[in-house]
Amino acid sequence: DVKVTQSSRYLVKRTGEKVFLECVQDMDHENMFWYRQDPGLGLRLIYFSYDVKMKEKGDIPEGYSVSREKKERFSLILESASTNQTSMYLCATEDRDMYFGPGTRLTVT
Amino acid sequence: AQSVTQLGSHVSVSEGALVLLRCNYSSSVPPYLFWYVQYPNQGLQLLLKYTSAATLVKGINDFEAEFKKSETSFHLTKPSAHMSDAAEYFCAVSEGGGSYIPTFGRGTSLIVHP
Repeated sequence: DVKVTQSSRYLVKRTGEKVFLECVQDMDHENMFWYRQDPGLGLRLIYFSYDVKMKEKGDIPEGYSVSREKKERFSLILESASTNQTSMYLCATEDRDMYFGPGTRLTVT
Repeated sequence: AQSVTQLGSHVSVSEGALVLLRCNYSSSVPPYLFWYVQYPNQGLQLLLKYTSAATLVKGINDFEAEFKKSETSFHLTKPSAHMSDAAEYFCAVSEGGGSYIPTFGRGTSLIVHP
């Protein structure tokens, strides 16, 4: 079974803080993704990575960055959190099918 | 470019009734099509997928979907709803011959009444 884990299920941060969301997968997949999910908007792609040290912008990269130093770990970074980044964040890996983590519900106050 | 439209943000059915969740897609190449389900406080799970083989695709928990190229549709059905089917359902499309990055619809919340 593919396992995708995310470091926190719930997170509360203050405006302006630097926020790290971690994602780890155990299936040696090359492709990893970060999405945010908002009611009525579905899933929107923030960043993705096809390989270590490689990253590509998705549809809504503004205000975010990513890091992939090791194949199994893909981190999403909010350099200076803002209230409009309050959302559910989903990490996924892909190997023909997509496998999602449980999500991190981030609240920025 | 690829896109997905899910008709109806909420669908309400009685337990035992037919479930029909609608999905229309747009793709410039033959598409791969997916349905995912998200139970409360969980990530998405793959229900079923179409990858250019049989047009009627069967998935888990008695769900199925039919690819209709002429209608650019991939509607999800289940003959008899169960209370445990209450969840958010997402349709997705990817351009199978090239990038596997799917584009997701906005989701349909299925409500099942006793």
